[in-house]
Amino acid sequence: GDSVTQMEGPVTLSEEAFLTINCTYTATGYPSLFWYVQYPGEGLQLLLKATKADDKGSNKGFEATYRKETTSFHLEKGSVQVSDSAVYFCALCTGGGNKLTFGTGTQLKVEL
Amino acid sequence: DAGITQSPRYKITETGRQVTLMCHQTWSHSYMFWYRQDLGHGLRLIYYSAAADITDKGEVPDGYVVSRSKTENFPLTLESATRSQTSVYFCASSESPGAGTEAFFGQGTRLTVV
Repeated sequence: GDSVTQMEGPVTLSEEAFLTINCTYTATGYPSLFWYVQYPGEGLQLLLKATKADDKGSNKGFEATYRKETTSFHLEKGSVQVSDSAVYFCALCTGGGNKLTFGTGTQLKVEL
Repeated sequence: DAGITQSPRYKITETGRQVTLMCHQTWSHSYMFWYRQDLGHGLRLIYYSAAADITDKGEVPDGYVVSRSKTENFPLTLESATRSQTSVYFCASSESPGAGTEAFFGQGTRLTVV
């Protein structure tokens, strides 16, 4: 079945550091790929997405590129801020039904 | 207010009791979902619904019951709560299926079974 593997956390960075959170997937067919973010005490919200190979999703300075050859969708940001502290989930959706398969989440803590 | 709301936000119940978690959305989205969030597992799908009166099992449906008599409501019932059902529960909704359709999540219900 479908699955998503993302790097273990927590990840602790200093403000303005470069961020990479790795995500790889296994799926039948051609999935759409997503990054969702969960701020403390809140539900998940969509950060960015990509629907086909070589697409780049971007939002709020975050980027991720859909790499079919490596089945990856790594999240990057050039300069993180304290306000980026949250849990980040990689997810995929295949076929009908809009059902999302999530990774385990990576907690990011950004310190001054 | 427009959006998706869950109630209650926090609930403590005893083992063996029945408890219902409520979910209401104002967008008339076709699809609604229930996920549970547990450390080390991320979010796992419990049940989902493609429209009123259409529901289907997800990855971890055992011990849960859902109904959807109206498009906007999707309650989740734990028929006889167990400690293993202590978790944070998220309801979500989305429009009709299409590549990259965004899911909108409620704020979650933290359920503790003692």
